[in-house]
Amino acid sequence: QQQVKQSPQSLIVQKGGISIINCAYENTAFDYFPWYQQFPGKGPALLIAIRPDVSEKKEGRFTISFNKSAKQFSLHIMDSQPGDSATYFCAASITPGTYKYIFGTGTRLKVLA
Amino acid sequence: DTGVSQDPRHKITKRGQNVTFRCDPISEHNRLYWYRQTLGQGPEFLTYFQNEAQLEKSRLLSDRFSAERPKGSFSTLEIQRTEQGDSAMYLCASSSPSYQETQYFGPGTRLLVL
Repeated sequence: QQQVKQSPQSLIVQKGGISIINCAYENTAFDYFPWYQQFPGKGPALLIAIRPDVSEKKEGRFTISFNKSAKQFSLHIMDSQPGDSATYFCAASITPGTYKYIFGTGTRLKVLA
Repeated sequence: DTGVSQDPRHKITKRGQNVTFRCDPISEHNRLYWYRQTLGQGPEFLTYFQNEAQLEKSRLLSDRFSAERPKGSFSTLEIQRTEQGDSAMYLCASSSPSYQETQYFGPGTRLLVL
């Protein structure tokens, strides 16, 4: 129950295309769902986050879609650019209020120029 | 504001040696988290502090690991009698009282145990 399952493991997208990364969870106590972007040799950087009472959140080219009943959420990167090539992690706060995150296994995105 | 900083950035040590890592959080951030990340995996929670109090430790944190945050500012993570399985990236993150859900990560300390 204390897992976040992320797919796909890797993704190749043409420049200008849409990148979609999916995550699923089981524990309904999870109360906060951030997405992080990580470049090689760097720490993760927060991209966008959502709470389970919201079905969609958009910030620039990044959108989170959240399906509470299915216990799934996804990251959509519109107009993908070569500079978006990085590893993306979904996460969930596993104890309400503590913001102690459990992370997915990551998706390595490559955007072809 | 310089963000979360960690020192050293890289550490190579021999099995059995002790190592200590330092994390300086963003100024006035009261929460500080430690995570461990192995190659190809997401970060795993180790422990976190609210001010100087260590509020939770993961089962991943064996007795060889100890973390401190004296005076509620910087934090140190010490690993005693290192093992090859300790080789990983050790990440520190901090968050502010107003936005505790938003964790800002440092660049990490990459540890290699030979």
